[in-house]
Amino acid sequence: GENVEQHPSTLSVQEGDSAVIKCTYSDSASNYFPWYKQELGKRPQLIIDIRSNVGEKKDQRIAVTLNKTAKHFSLHITETQPEDSAVYFCAASNTGTASKLTFGTGTRLQVTL
Amino acid sequence: GAGVSQSPRYKVAKRGQDVALRCDPISGHVSLFWYQQALGQGPEFLTYFQNEAQLDKSGLPSDRFFAERPEGSVSTLKIQRTQQEDSAVYLCASSPWRAPTDTQYFGPGTRLTVL
Repeated sequence: GENVEQHPSTLSVQEGDSAVIKCTYSDSASNYFPWYKQELGKRPQLIIDIRSNVGEKKDQRIAVTLNKTAKHFSLHITETQPEDSAVYFCAASNTGTASKLTFGTGTRLQVTL
Repeated sequence: GAGVSQSPRYKVAKRGQDVALRCDPISGHVSLFWYQQALGQGPEFLTYFQNEAQLDKSGLPSDRFFAERPEGSVSTLKIQRTQQEDSAVYLCASSPWRAPTDTQYFGPGTRLTVL
């Protein structure tokens, strides 16, 4: 089955700096890669996703890149703000067969003033 | 519109008790998923429904776990004879089904504590 690894487990940046979180996956058949933000005690919320037919996607301060050959994808947050502080999860799935998401172990991002 | 809702939000059970967790998906969503999230970990897949059909239950950890979605809408996850290792947040997610509209939307979860 699919295995997703995520690094780093914790990340502390100063407000205004950029943050990068990296994930690797094992199943070359995976074709859908969402990123979720989860605040303490809250539900995971989708912040951006990418499909295997594109290499990069951007939405305001958030961007995701995908390297299918190397089987890794990354989340980039620019101009970080205190409200970006949360746990971020990457995930992978093969939407052609089972749509279940396999999640990484999470990155706790702390944006300091 | 209304998002995915789950009830109860918190459940405390004594070891050996049976519990039932409810999920109300977004109206019209075909797919429904259950995940288990242990403290400090990412969600782990339990089971998947497409309408009323349970297409994948490979993630259910034991035969004490049972899920159903009899009318293709509301789903119930039942855990029999609860054990301490069942303590976790149980998340439900729903999806319209096919790409590009297969985004999974999560509910707030039910935090189960087994004493």
